[in-house]
Amino acid sequence: KQEVTQIPAALSVPEGENLVLNCSFTDSAIYNLQWFRQDPGKGLTSLLLIQSSQREQTSGRLNASLDKSSGRSTLYIAASQPGDSATYLCAVSGAGSYQLTFGKGTKLSVIP
Amino acid sequence: DTGVSQNPRHKITKRGQNVTFRCDPISEHNRLYWYRQTLGQGPEFLTYFQNEAQLEKSRLLSDRFSAERPKGSFSTLEIQRTEQGDSAMYLCASSLGVGTNYGYTFGSGTRLTVV
Repeated sequence: KQEVTQIPAALSVPEGENLVLNCSFTDSAIYNLQWFRQDPGKGLTSLLLIQSSQREQTSGRLNASLDKSSGRSTLYIAASQPGDSATYLCAVSGAGSYQLTFGKGTKLSVIP
Repeated sequence: DTGVSQNPRHKITKRGQNVTFRCDPISEHNRLYWYRQTLGQGPEFLTYFQNEAQLEKSRLLSDRFSAERPKGSFSTLEIQRTEQGDSAMYLCASSLGVGTNYGYTFGSGTRLTVV
C-alpha cells in the first residue's frame, strides 16, 4: 500500500526566504506526482504535475523535483511572500491505479 | 469552462438526517472522483467513476453512502442517517484519463457539519 509522508508538518519563514518542502513515498511505481495548495477551508489548487519520466517541473517561483527511484520529491519556493501561506499537499498517482494518495501536508506561514 | 464545481459549499445538518452533495466536473473529463478530508489530514479516496460506471468504492464508503453519475455528467454523493463522524470536507475531482500525462482537478469542496 502506497504511503506518502510530508516533512515538516509546519514551517514558518520570514518573507523573502527561499524554502523547500519535502515529500516521500513508499512505492516507486507511480504515474505521476502532483503538488497542490490548499487555503484554509478551501479546495485544492494544482500547482505542478511531474510525470514519472520527468525530473522536475517549474512554474514561476515554484520548482518541483522528482527522484522516483528513491521515492522523493521536493517543492522549492523562491522568494517567499505572505500570499504563499497555505497548506501544501503532495499526492502520487500509482501505476495501475486511479487513486491519488496524499500526504498530510505542510502548513506554511510566511511572516511579513 | 470554469473548472470543477461543487454545491453546496457548506452544509449543516442534524444527526440522522440525509444530505446530498453535487459535483459538476470539467465537461470533457470522463473520470470523476470523490474524496473526504478531515481536519489535519490529507484527502482520502472514496469512489471513482469512469463515465457513468462506478468502478471502485473505498472501504471508507459505508452502506450509508451512495454515489451516482447519471449519463456520465454530474455526480451526486448522498449520506443517509448522518453521524457526527461524517463531519468533513467532501472533495470532488475530475481527470481526462489515467496515466502519466493526466493530472486531477479538484473543486472547492463541500464542508459538512453534523450537529
